[in-house]
Amino acid sequence: SQELEQSPQSLIVQEGKNLTINCTSSKTLYGLYWYKQKYGEGLIFLMMLQKGGEEKSHEKITAKLDEKKQQSSLHITASQPSHAGIYLCGADPRGSNYKLTFGKGTLLTVNP
Amino acid sequence: NAGVTQTPKFQVLKTGQSMTLQCAQDMNHNSMYWYRQDPGMGLRLIYYSASEGTTDKGEVPNGYNVSRLNKREFSLRLESAAPSQTSVYFCASSERLYRDSNQPQHFGDGTRLSIL
Repeated sequence: SQELEQSPQSLIVQEGKNLTINCTSSKTLYGLYWYKQKYGEGLIFLMMLQKGGEEKSHEKITAKLDEKKQQSSLHITASQPSHAGIYLCGADPRGSNYKLTFGKGTLLTVNP
Repeated sequence: NAGVTQTPKFQVLKTGQSMTLQCAQDMNHNSMYWYRQDPGMGLRLIYYSASEGTTDKGEVPNGYNVSRLNKREFSLRLESAAPSQTSVYFCASSERLYRDSNQPQHFGDGTRLSIL
């Protein structure tokens, strides 16, 4: 079955610093999703990547999928306290979108 | 824009009690899902419904039943609650028109369920 490994498990940064979160798959990714979750709330969809080498940006967050489609990274530039939360990657391993498998998440803390 | 609405938001049950978690989406999505989220385990799929009239087991279906009432609503039932079912439950939905088209899942705010 598809497994997703996220690193780091947690991250504490000073406001204004850049950071990167990684998501590595044991199998080829046909669709990779990034979500953000604030404590006690639901998951908010950030971005979806499908093609090898694809890169998408939204405000100060950039996500990339490598050419082999087995690793994705989420990069935040000039972090702000509003970026704090849990970031999860989710994979659709067979293009079916029925059984989305999630990584265990990365807890991001941004200190003012 | 309501999106995916889950009720209730919080619930405490005693072991052996039954309960139904409700989920409704207003995005005209075909597919709906139920997940549970536990510390250290991440999000795990309980059941899903690819389209109205169909349901299938996910990764952890034991102890649960589901009903796809119509295109909008997908409920999760615990027939005899056990402490191991204490968790946060999330409902999600996605559009699923074409097999080769990936569509993101949109999540509700969750139901926090404690079983004593």
